[in-house]
Amino acid sequence: DTEVTQTPKHLVMGMTNKKSLKCEQHMGHRAMYWYKQKAKKPPELMFVYSYEKLSINESVPSRFSPECPNSSLLNLHLHALQPEDSALYLCASSQEVSADTQYFGPGTRLTVL
Amino acid sequence: GENVEQHPSTLSVQEGDSAVIKCTYSDSASNYFPWYKQELGKRPQLIIDIRSNVGEKKDQRIAVTLNKTAKHFSLHITETQPEDSAVYFCAASIYQFYFGTGTSLTVIP
Repeated sequence: DTEVTQTPKHLVMGMTNKKSLKCEQHMGHRAMYWYKQKAKKPPELMFVYSYEKLSINESVPSRFSPECPNSSLLNLHLHALQPEDSALYLCASSQEVSADTQYFGPGTRLTVL
Repeated sequence: GENVEQHPSTLSVQEGDSAVIKCTYSDSASNYFPWYKQELGKRPQLIIDIRSNVGEKKDQRIAVTLNKTAKHFSLHITETQPEDSAVYFCAASIYQFYFGTGTSLTVIP
């Protein structure tokens, strides 16, 4: 299996809701990433997990809370989001956190009302 | 930190012509340079990559060249086809990816 999967594909939420995004990979990769992407812009790194431990947090607001339950799964918990948080949220994985190929999931299109 | 610049931001070519996209980076420690293609509404997909110990790499119609001294690398697409139309992102990596700003390529049939 050479794919990264993400659920849901689309999510609409109000500013008071709590929701979670899920990401899964079965390639045996030990590094997993969350990116945020606005239209026609490059992906912006949010979090990096290496061997299930958070290794990079790019000064992301606390309303985004990542979790890595095991080496195959990555979650992003969302709470009290703002309309400007509407974006495509991409998960990626790589063999290690290093100069290594990252494989992206299809993303979750998030709309915050 | 690393800074990656990408040019041009938009590029239109006739079908069958070549397309070239250029990126420069600032940190000489960067040692991995992937190129991603992203079609509208889809995930970024790796199309080719190069490591700092190699000067050129080719895969069918796609090639990447790297000049470490000048700190720039380029994507070359030959015999372009309409399905090559997409946004292309370069990146430079030491520990994490630093993406360029993207090039929107349109291939006109």
